[in-house]
Amino acid sequence: QQQVKQSPQSLIVQKGGISIINCAYENTAFDYFPWYQQFPGKGPALLIAIRPDVSEKKEGRFTISFNKSAKQFSLHIMDSQPGDSATYFCAASTYNFNKFYFGSGTKLNVKP
Amino acid sequence: GAVVSQHPSWVICKSGTSVKIECRSLDFQATTMFWYRQFPKQSLMLMATSNEGSKATYEQGVEKDKFLINHASLTLSTLTVTSAHPEDSSFYICSARGTTSKMGTREGYTFGSGTRLTVV
Repeated sequence: QQQVKQSPQSLIVQKGGISIINCAYENTAFDYFPWYQQFPGKGPALLIAIRPDVSEKKEGRFTISFNKSAKQFSLHIMDSQPGDSATYFCAASTYNFNKFYFGSGTKLNVKP
Repeated sequence: GAVVSQHPSWVICKSGTSVKIECRSLDFQATTMFWYRQFPKQSLMLMATSNEGSKATYEQGVEKDKFLINHASLTLSTLTVTSAHPEDSSFYICSARGTTSKMGTREGYTFGSGTRLTVV
């Protein structure tokens, strides 16, 4: 059973456009929701993370929107650039277990 | 920033042989190491969690006798794939949690760069 569901599987965006990736979860015990960026042949790197006590977190061009009642969260990449082309994973964890459950990933291609 | 060095970055081995993958924390002490497996175009699946000086805890369905994990020091953890078969071909990634106030938090988890294993 997949703990975190992610969509879309792939995304093509024009340079300067907005990229939106969505994730949904069921376990209400999750209290930490990070997004990771992974380039081919590399390990994931933390991009931005949010906790359920806030509805939005912004860092530069990257914003997480969090809807606790709907158990959904999303990543918005504003002014998308070709250098943003990568695979993005959402994840979730509980405090007690301290391990991550990853979404299935979204391959983003930003066209120049 | 914190760095986890993972080697080799890629390896090709013959079926039936064993392969060892190393993850070293370069500038912090890794109290816990997580080992993941990633199939092409799929997500990361946690294989096992190891704490320094203790036996690893394996996730359900992961063969502990096939995937041997050693975490004998605070800076080195190894994953050995024993008697490898083509179905073991995958991308293996480690992730470390450290002892400092930042590295001990979930924000501080640091991933290695991964190892592409191909068994022929």
